[in-house]
Amino acid sequence: GAGVSQSPRYKVTKRGQDVALRCDPISGHVSLYWYRQALGQGPEFLTYFNYEAQQDKSGLPNDRFSAERPEGSISTLTIQRTEQRDSAMYRCASSLVPASPGEETQYFGPGTRLLVL
Amino acid sequence: LAKTTQPISMDSYEGQEVNITCSHNNIATNDYITWYQQFPSQGPRFIIQGYKTKVTNEVASLFIPADRKSSTLSLPRVSLSDTAVYYCLVGPWMDSSYKLIFGSGTRLLVRP
Repeated sequence: GAGVSQSPRYKVTKRGQDVALRCDPISGHVSLYWYRQALGQGPEFLTYFNYEAQQDKSGLPNDRFSAERPEGSISTLTIQRTEQRDSAMYRCASSLVPASPGEETQYFGPGTRLLVL
Repeated sequence: LAKTTQPISMDSYEGQEVNITCSHNNIATNDYITWYQQFPSQGPRFIIQGYKTKVTNEVASLFIPADRKSSTLSLPRVSLSDTAVYYCLVGPWMDSSYKLIFGSGTRLLVRP
């Protein structure tokens, strides 16, 4: 079956512009997670959803970052007034069941490479 | 905060067994230990998860001592395609909220 998909795969934008990154989880997966990964580093947790409810957004770097999952399926990560330091790989993952100890296996998408000039 | 410490890199040869050890001295009672594998230009991929003792699947084994302050991922008879970054994670619960914390991982290079 289809895995997690993300679009666009690459995004080049100018500083100050807003960007919207899309994540389409595996069908039927309840939980969806957003990460940011710098080159040579592990993924950095940003936020996650169970169904349409955002459970934890404390990993979002600042208030320019927001995420939504209005119908409990597709999610959008929005970065307003982008800055050069926002350049990174943004990865989305989904899991079949809500996050709980020993119960989750996350499936990651291919990521969106964001470059802010 | 259950921080993990693992070697930055390891080298091996095809056919050998590779053991990657991860330290997590502050692991909490309800924390699980999970290992992910990441190939270049791809997202991380789940390998194995355990709570205590030993867990084995078709890909790897995970050894966890009684005190759970460390864990060892064992890859039997590695091949060139096992060259990747391996992440040890402890969690997911932290501060009563879900957070998966990836460190910098261990870069495994398998040589012919």
